[in-house]
Amino acid sequence: EPEVTQTPSHQVTQMGQEVILRCVPISNHLYFYWYRQILGQKVEFLVSFYNNEISEKSEIFDDQFSVERPDGSNFTLKIRSTKLEDSAMYFCASSRAPTSGINNEQFFGPGTRLTVL
Amino acid sequence: AQTVTQSQPEMSVQEAETVTLSCTYDTSESDYYLFWYKQPPSRQMILVIRQEAYKQQNATENRFSVNFQKAAKSFSLKISDSQLGDAAMYFCALSQGGSEKLVFGKGTKLTVNP
Repeated sequence: EPEVTQTPSHQVTQMGQEVILRCVPISNHLYFYWYRQILGQKVEFLVSFYNNEISEKSEIFDDQFSVERPDGSNFTLKIRSTKLEDSAMYFCASSRAPTSGINNEQFFGPGTRLTVL
Repeated sequence: AQTVTQSQPEMSVQEAETVTLSCTYDTSESDYYLFWYKQPPSRQMILVIRQEAYKQQNATENRFSVNFQKAAKSFSLKISDSQLGDAAMYFCALSQGGSEKLVFGKGTKLTVNP
């Protein structure tokens, strides 16, 4: 069964550095998402992406974040200048249809644990 | 604003018994969906069951069923004949019509005792 994959599984970086988290969504999916979960807190929505543009973003998704689908298979989240509070598990998800429609199941990847020192 | 609350951080159940996980939510929309996701240790979240708000009938998927009380904004998950493989974090989530995001609860860690 197709799965969403994410690399790396764990990323350690210094504060102020740029990181790129990578995701390969399920191949026939059209909607892509990033979520994060700070340790001990809820899973929080960051951004959704459809038709090569951001369709929705949260207040968390500020100018230090960006997303890209560079080659038709990968979906990346870039954090430009990491802060200590960016340490979290980052989950990528994809779906065939919009969340508000039928067949709206979001399929999640296993996550990337980002540690900012 | 939408919120999802799971008031049970941890639950345990004996194998073959039944357990109910609680979830309450708040939304001002009439068009929304509710979900239960399961996350086994070191594995990705997978969808267990989904409920459309406009449907009165409670969703069922094999041993998993929900008790959807729309007026009370309650969406509990019942697991019957619990199995060791049911041990996981369970997340309740909400999506509103017109929005792409899922809003999650904090999760309930379910332990299944042999």
